[in-house]
Amino acid sequence: DGGITQSPKYLFRKEGQNVTLSCEQNLNHDAMYWYRQDPGQGLRLIYYSQIVNDFQKGDIAEGYSVSREKKESFPLTVTSAQKNPTAFYLCASSSTQSTNEKLFFGSGTQLSVL
Amino acid sequence: GQQVMQIPQYQHVQEGEDFTTYCNSSTTLSNIQWYKQRPGGHPVFLIQLVKSGEVKKQKRLTFQFGEAKKNSSLHITATQTTDVGTYFCAGQRGAQKLVFGQGTRLTINP
Repeated sequence: DGGITQSPKYLFRKEGQNVTLSCEQNLNHDAMYWYRQDPGQGLRLIYYSQIVNDFQKGDIAEGYSVSREKKESFPLTVTSAQKNPTAFYLCASSSTQSTNEKLFFGSGTQLSVL
Repeated sequence: GQQVMQIPQYQHVQEGEDFTTYCNSSTTLSNIQWYKQRPGGHPVFLIQLVKSGEVKKQKRLTFQFGEAKKNSSLHITATQTTDVGTYFCAGQRGAQKLVFGQGTRLTINP
């Protein structure tokens, strides 16, 4: 089945620790995105990538980093600089980054701070 | 920057009642999309509206795009328990990224 796979489903971070969230897609989509979801705040864009080896900051990129070494993969690292990392993280993809392209979402990773 | 406001934030209805959520943008949009997120799940695309004044239906769901392309609504007729979830609108202006509303969480009393 084609889709987007996020892992792990739950993740715990200790003080000062970097953690990496995995996102893999087999939809052959060019564009991939990371969103953060907090209760009552909708989805906020962290980073996005339109093509391999290229990515751009979204609205809340501080404290996060990404890489796009392969078309299929777009991992997100939550660094120790992100002081309030507890949230539900959603990875998404679309066939292109042009207008009118719908997003396909993964099942999400819930990150909590120990 | 572009903002998309969605109201109400929460809505509780009796099964069989109708439900409407509204989405308003501070700027004219090129298109608007609607997504549904079931409790504990991830957002799933429902529909996209592109034309001014456009109305689209999916069974009991009716989607509208305003004449000025700055607002949109989703109306569910005769809600069922399967309609429970959070409904998000997401607006796009030209080649800019999608901006999501805060979502409307729908709960239903069976």
